[in-house]
Amino acid sequence: EVQLVESGGGFVQPGGSLRLSCVASGFTFSTYEMNWVRQAPGKGLEWISYISDNGNSIHYADSVKGRFTISRDNAKNTLYLQMRSLRVDDTALYYCARDINKIPRAFEYWGPGTLVAVSS
Amino acid sequence: DIQMTQSPSSLSASVGDRVTITCRAGQSISIFLHWYQQKPGKAPRLLIYAASLLQSGVPSRFSGSGSGTDFTLTISSLQPEDFATYYCQQTYTLPPWTFGQGTKVE
Repeated sequence: EVQLVESGGGFVQPGGSLRLSCVASGFTFSTYEMNWVRQAPGKGLEWISYISDNGNSIHYADSVKGRFTISRDNAKNTLYLQMRSLRVDDTALYYCARDINKIPRAFEYWGPGTLVAVSS
Repeated sequence: DIQMTQSPSSLSASVGDRVTITCRAGQSISIFLHWYQQKPGKAPRLLIYAASLLQSGVPSRFSGSGSGTDFTLTISSLQPEDFATYYCQQTYTLPPWTFGQGTKVE
């Protein structure tokens, strides 16, 4: 059974940092592209970052570019999101999502999410 | 960025109703369009990918159609478990891969 479990969320002041993790199981993690998607309270879904299976290709939404860094450790079956210079509008539930590995890509599996709250 | 516009933003329906949600892309996206269902407190669930392909395990009352800029998600006979928010998403070319604003079925 495919499972994705995020962790690392919490309460942080503006300007602070957090590192989110997403541990994958039930599939060969190293062969799948991965994404982070967030959802602010009561709002819609926002894609924020993508990483290829080997980590060589990375993309970010403009809203997080230069502040967030996506990475992965295929030996540990873990996806990361390093978040720096956090702002109040980064407050959201952060999901990791596995690619469907077909064309066109879609987000086939999602974790339950981890909540990041940025406030002074 | 490719803008995705869903309509309506919300709709009221009853069990057994046929429900249709539309999604319009700001430019042609071929069939690079997917539909997700999200229930309160839960992660999104992929329903339809590539505009019309039913994801494994999804009931056949869900269907998708369209190509280019105009797409439709149809629920042929609404069931109690279908009351949720539905999102379209485009994954055409390079990121950002944008979502519609959502349609709440209540």
